[in-house]
Amino acid sequence: DAGVTQSPTHLIKTRGQQVTLRCSPKSGHDTVSWYQQALGQGPQFIFQYYEEEERQRGNFPDRFSGHQFPNYSSELNVNALLLGDSALYLCASSLKTTFYGYTFGSGTRLTVV
Amino acid sequence: DAKTTQPNSMESNEEEPVHLPCNHSTISGTDYIHWYRQLPSQGPEYVIHGLTSNVNNRMASLAIAEDRKSSTLILHRATLRDAAVYYCILRNFNKFYFGSGTKLNVKP
Repeated sequence: DAGVTQSPTHLIKTRGQQVTLRCSPKSGHDTVSWYQQALGQGPQFIFQYYEEEERQRGNFPDRFSGHQFPNYSSELNVNALLLGDSALYLCASSLKTTFYGYTFGSGTRLTVV
Repeated sequence: DAKTTQPNSMESNEEEPVHLPCNHSTISGTDYIHWYRQLPSQGPEYVIHGLTSNVNNRMASLAIAEDRKSSTLILHRATLRDAAVYYCILRNFNKFYFGSGTKLNVKP
């Protein structure tokens, strides 16, 4: 049974560009959350999607947006990239009605140059 | 946002017990306490969680203070594979608040 799958694993972008990261949740999960993890720090909550809508959001600017598709997969979009957006982006899936914890993917390492 | 405080790093000898402390003095009545660990180049992995009572599973035990303002993750016999960053997390309505974590080094 596949866990959470994220793509791509690594990405290099230039300042000002836009990027899209993708996530397929664990089979049977219906909720996807995105986290940003800067080097040497703990993950920070970006937002959470359930039933194709953004349900909760952390302290991130509107440059960060997302989408959830009918098959529960999700995308994270970041516009107008800044050097400070360089980080590991983690996707975590869970089941809304029976929440015991997240299953995390291995992340996408984004480097902005 | 609810916050947790953990030591930056700890060291243990292989096959000895390890007690990883966490302070969460601002915890609310509806916050669950979760522990995750993260190996290099991987996403965090679930270890254990609880609300008020102590919890045991095959990986670890979680001891929660009576006032819930602190908790301790107990690894009964540390192995080299347990070397990781351990995060103590408060969960509120499916949103996690990660701290900076404790880097556990295990010496052979």
